[in-house]
Amino acid sequence: SQKIEQNSEALNIQEGKTATLTCNYTNYSPAYLQWYRQDPGRGPVFLLLIRENEKEKRKERLKVTFDTTLKQSLFHITASQPADSATYLCATILTGGGNKLTFGTGTQLKVEL
Amino acid sequence: DTAVSQTPKYLVTQMGNDKSIKCEQNLGHDTMYWYKQDSKKFLKIMFSYNNKELIINETVPNRFSPKSPDKAHLNLHINSLELGDSAVYFCASSQGLGYSGANVLTFGAGSRLTVL
Repeated sequence: SQKIEQNSEALNIQEGKTATLTCNYTNYSPAYLQWYRQDPGRGPVFLLLIRENEKEKRKERLKVTFDTTLKQSLFHITASQPADSATYLCATILTGGGNKLTFGTGTQLKVEL
Repeated sequence: DTAVSQTPKYLVTQMGNDKSIKCEQNLGHDTMYWYKQDSKKFLKIMFSYNNKELIINETVPNRFSPKSPDKAHLNLHINSLELGDSAVYFCASSQGLGYSGANVLTFGAGSRLTVL
């Protein structure tokens, strides 16, 4: 069956370091992959979208990569700050999924001083 | 101006009751959605509507009935509430149908439903 998997364990890193979050997908090849941020008590907020023919996408301190061979997307936050602490979700449309955007389980990031 | 607004933000009710959650978007988007986020934070789609027409009904119990009076509004009515319905319900919207996966969703702040 098709799956989107993210590391369910929380990621704790020190301020100033680069945080790297992983999104793996199995048994299909998405044309697009999206990343969202969710803060406690709030709805997810869109961050970046990457297409299958793009290896990398950047926005300020954020970088997303898309490796269709490994079936994996990596989400990087450089020079991380405590304000980056949140849950990060990847999302895509599975094969035959119509317009149903399916989300991964999310990875909680905590940036410590 | 809030782009996607949901009311109420919190809802505490007894088992067996009927309740509604309302959603409105002022983005001019064509498609609206209801997602459910359970206690493990897994976000799962329930319904999507495009221009008031039901597009997705994701094997949700009949007790859940969405209604879209116009493309800017999507309400969720739940009959005979059960303990397992306790969750956070998110409304979202996007431009276009989103079949390619390139459509970005804008979410509301969520409505936390607690069934006692």
